[in-house]
Amino acid sequence: SQELEQSPQSLIVQEGKNLTINCTSSKTLYGLYWYKQKYGEGLIFLMMLQKGGEEKSHEKITAKLDEKKQQSSLHITASQPSHAGIYLCGAPEGGTSYGKLTFGQGTILTVHP
Amino acid sequence: DAGITQSPRHKVTETGTPVTLRCHQTENHRYMYWYRQDPGHGLRLIHYSYGVKDTDKGEVSDGYSVSRSKTEDFLLTLESATSSQTSVYFCATAGGKGNTIYFGEGSWLTVV
Repeated sequence: SQELEQSPQSLIVQEGKNLTINCTSSKTLYGLYWYKQKYGEGLIFLMMLQKGGEEKSHEKITAKLDEKKQQSSLHITASQPSHAGIYLCGAPEGGTSYGKLTFGQGTILTVHP
Repeated sequence: DAGITQSPRHKVTETGTPVTLRCHQTENHRYMYWYRQDPGHGLRLIHYSYGVKDTDKGEVSDGYSVSRSKTEDFLLTLESATSSQTSVYFCATAGGKGNTIYFGEGSWLTVV
């Protein structure tokens, strides 16, 4: 079965700093979803990557999928306290695009004002 | 926001009692999923559905059953709740534009 490892497990940064979260798969990635979760709340969809080498951005968050390395990265530029939360990567099973996702353990991000 | 409503949002129940969690969606998405989230295990798939009356097991399906009689509703039933089923349960849907998978806000279940 596919396993996703996220690094780091937790991250504390000062407001304004850039940061990167990595998600590494034990098998070939056919796609990769990034979500953000606040403690005690649901998952907020951030981005989905489907093709090797694909890069997407939304506001100050950029995600890349490096299929050759079986890895995806999430980069936040000029972090803000609103970016704090748990970031989760999820990968679909096999070549299907839909919903049977395996998730990483999550990265806890703290942003100090 | 994919129009996903989970109910109840919080529930405390006793061991051995049946419990049903409901997921209701308004986007007419074909695919629906139930996950549970636990410390140390992350999110794990319980059951999923590819359409009305079309369901299958996920990674951690023991002790759970599901039903989908209408496109908009996906029910998760714990026939006889155990303490190990204390968890946060998330419903998800897919089938809209761009293969996006949306999650509900979660149902917190405590089995005492």
